[in-house]
Amino acid sequence: GENVEQHPSTLSVQEGDSAVIKCTYSDSASNYFPWYKQELGKRPQLIIDIRSNVGEKKDQRIAVTLNKTAKHFSLHITETQPEDSAVYFCAVKPTGSNYQLIWGAGTKLIIKP
Amino acid sequence: GAGVSQSPSNKVTEKGKDVELRCDPISGHTALYWYRQSLGQGLEFLIYFQGNSAPDKSGLPSDRFSAERTGGSVSTLTIQRTQQEDSAVYLCASSAPGGGSGVREQYFGPGTRLTVT
Repeated sequence: GENVEQHPSTLSVQEGDSAVIKCTYSDSASNYFPWYKQELGKRPQLIIDIRSNVGEKKDQRIAVTLNKTAKHFSLHITETQPEDSAVYFCAVKPTGSNYQLIWGAGTKLIIKP
Repeated sequence: GAGVSQSPSNKVTEKGKDVELRCDPISGHTALYWYRQSLGQGLEFLIYFQGNSAPDKSGLPSDRFSAERTGGSVSTLTIQRTQQEDSAVYLCASSAPGGGSGVREQYFGPGTRLTVT
């Protein structure tokens, strides 16, 4: 079955710098890749997603890139701000599934003032 | 409109007791998911409902765990004979019927924090 690895587990960056979180997956036919953000004590929320027919997607300071050949996708946050501090989860929808997402273990992003 | 709600928000129970956790999904959402999140950990998939049926129960950690959904809406997760290792936050999520790619955003509830003493 699909396997998702997420790195790093913790990332500390200076406010204003960029942050990159990477996820690798095993099923080359997987076709949907969302990122969720979970602030401390709150519920996970979708922040951006990408489908397999697209290589990059941007939404203001957030972008996701997908490399289907290498089977990895990354979340990029530019000009980081204190409110970006949270745990970020990647997920993958494997082929053959209409509902299930396979989740990464999460990355704790710390923005240093 | 109203989001996903869960009750209770916190539950403290003694080891060996049974507990019921409730999830009210967003109206019209046919898919419902239960996850478990231990402190500082990721999301552990437990079970998925499409309507009232549960095509995937593969994530339930033991036969002490069961879930049902009635009327295609409210779902309850029951844990029998609770153990200390069951202590975690139990999250429910719902999503609208899938489109061409068969997947929609999952909207999470606030979770139920279960503590087994």
